[in-house]
Amino acid sequence: QQQVKQSPQSLIVQKGGIPIINCAYENTAFDYFPWYQQFPGKGPALLIAIRPDVSEKKEGRFTISFNKSAKQFSLHIMDSQPGDSATYFCAAPQGGETSGSRLTFGEGTQLTVNP
Amino acid sequence: ETGVTQSPTHLIKTRGQQVTLRCSSQSGHNTVSWYQQALGQGPQFIFQYYREEENGRGNFPPRFSGLQFPNYSSELNVNALELDDSALYLCASFRQGIKETQYFGPGTRLLVL
Repeated sequence: QQQVKQSPQSLIVQKGGIPIINCAYENTAFDYFPWYQQFPGKGPALLIAIRPDVSEKKEGRFTISFNKSAKQFSLHIMDSQPGDSATYFCAAPQGGETSGSRLTFGEGTQLTVNP
Repeated sequence: ETGVTQSPTHLIKTRGQQVTLRCSSQSGHNTVSWYQQALGQGPQFIFQYYREEENGRGNFPPRFSGLQFPNYSSELNVNALELDDSALYLCASFRQGIKETQYFGPGTRLLVL
């Protein structure tokens, strides 16, 4: 089963800062890696996802960087805002066409952006 | 907001009871997954349904069971509730072949006393 290690567990930045959240995976049988954002009392919301054939993907202020050789990927939030304060989860699929939708989540990173 | 809805939003049960949670998939999505999220942890995969059949299961005992209906809505049933079953239960839906757009519902918060 795919294992995903996420760090740091918590992160505090000032408004405008660039928090970086890292994830490391073990199994190479993957075809995409999503990131989810979760606010208290809500379900996880899909933020951005990357395929292994690209090294970087940007969507608005969110960027995923992917290092295939190191089996690591990271989320960068540009010009962070207090409204970005939430818990962020990286995830990895189990692999395969039908099983590839079973996600293994990291432990989560609680981000606080101070005004 | 996604088009995935869940009911009820909150539920309190006692140990040994049975519970049924419901999920309505986003329009056009034919696959549903259920996850359990304990407080302070990431979601854990329970099982997945496609074409009304279970086609994948995580490390959960048989007292966790499910159904998918022709309209792609789904149920999660848990028998013989234990205290450790207290968690946020999430369903996620997507269309087979487009799993990158797996969207989660708001969840059902279950408390077992």
